[in-house]
Amino acid sequence: DQQVKQNSPSLSVQEGRISILNCDYTNSMFDYFLWYKKYPAEGPTFLISISSIKDKNEDGRFTVFLNKSAKHLSLHIVPSQPGDSAVYFCAASAEDNFNKFYFGSGTKLNVKP
Amino acid sequence: NAGVTQTPKFQVLKTGQSMTLQCAQDMNHEYMSWYRQDPGMGLRLIHYSVGAGITDQGEVPNGYNVSRSTTEDFPLRLLSAAPSQTSVYFCASSYLARSTDTQYFGPGTRLTVL
Repeated sequence: DQQVKQNSPSLSVQEGRISILNCDYTNSMFDYFLWYKKYPAEGPTFLISISSIKDKNEDGRFTVFLNKSAKHLSLHIVPSQPGDSAVYFCAASAEDNFNKFYFGSGTKLNVKP
Repeated sequence: NAGVTQTPKFQVLKTGQSMTLQCAQDMNHEYMSWYRQDPGMGLRLIHYSVGAGITDQGEVPNGYNVSRSTTEDFPLRLLSAAPSQTSVYFCASSYLARSTDTQYFGPGTRLTVL
């Protein structure tokens, strides 16, 4: 049973608009969350993270929001650019599990010029 | 600085064959791990190591062995390949084993078992 779920396999957005990628988790012990970006034939690369003591973290065009009561996090990309087209994975960890992360199945984002 | 390297990029095996997927990092990272990625599923942790000489099982360890004789290398061995092990395998490393340490992933090995 997957502890981290990304229910949208794909998302298509126009260049310049906002992309919102969603992620849900079931384990209330998770206290650290990350988003990774993956291009074809490459490994995932770290994008942004958030600790459970925060509800928002920003890094340039990327913002991650965490709603602990709903066990939900989202990644907002504003404005979206064609180079953002990739698969995005969310991942979660409980700190006492060291670097054991549970990954969602990914959302493929297509940003149309 | 090559980061995390994996060889081979592609491999086709017959059921029952054995092979070793190689992983190396040149960042002096203590923590290394192996994941597999299957369609419709996220990356799942197979084995991990918090330092040379120390390994432990992840979420899906059955059918795989690992060893960590040096800080740099973390090979993954398939003792008797099965079609269920057809997957894309990623090796990753981070400075330490803390959740907050950024993991760096290799480019992956695409394995097909016939």
